[in-house]
Amino acid sequence: QVQLQESGPGLVKPSGTLSLTCAVSGGSISSSNWWSWVRQPPGKGLEWIGEIYHSGSTNYNPSLKSRVTISVDKSKNQFSLKLSSVTAADTAVYYCASERLRYYYGSGGDYYYYYMDVWGKGTTVTVSS
Amino acid sequence: DIQMTQSPSSLSASVGDRVTITCRASQSISSYLNWYQQKPGKAPKLLIYAASSLQSGVPSRFSGSGSGTDFTLTISSLQPEDFATYYCQQSYSTPRLFTFGPGTKVDIK
Repeated sequence: QVQLQESGPGLVKPSGTLSLTCAVSGGSISSSNWWSWVRQPPGKGLEWIGEIYHSGSTNYNPSLKSRVTISVDKSKNQFSLKLSSVTAADTAVYYCASERLRYYYGSGGDYYYYYMDVWGKGTTVTVSS
Repeated sequence: DIQMTQSPSSLSASVGDRVTITCRASQSISSYLNWYQQKPGKAPKLLIYAASSLQSGVPSRFSGSGSGTDFTLTISSLQPEDFATYYCQQSYSTPRLFTFGPGTKVDIK
């Protein structure tokens, strides 16, 4: 069973860049999974940040796209998140997650169901001077 | 963008109660709907994917239904460990853009 562990600085200064890494164990990052980042501000709901495939293909939340870079390091079996120009609004618990794909062929055609089945424990990042 | 809403935002229930949470999408998402449970200080846990498929290891008292724009998560007999916040999530958008609902908090009556 894949396990994920986030790491990175817990405090980032305003206008700086938030950098986090998610280490993958118990499996290869080059498997057929996509890998996601999700965040949760204090007392609020979940927000998907973006995802990456081991090939380097990415999808980002349009609301954050201009500030987000997600990358993969296959040699270290990990993927990373960089969020630039941070403000207090970026203070949150940041989770990494692996996505599973279930494919079905039905009467309506092809169905590609993606869902996040394994999550890291999360890491708290505070933006403050 | 597809917007997700949930109702109620919170509810109080007793052990043994049948609980139903509703999730609505701003446009049809077929059956591209997942449900997660989150307890305080913990990461979300997948319960249901593809609207009605039970994730391995999840108790059978949890069930999901719906398609199109309206979906429900049902807990047939609420257990003490089920007090948590529940989120729906759509995975229909292309290119992929996962969107979560605002959550429904289930607490003890």
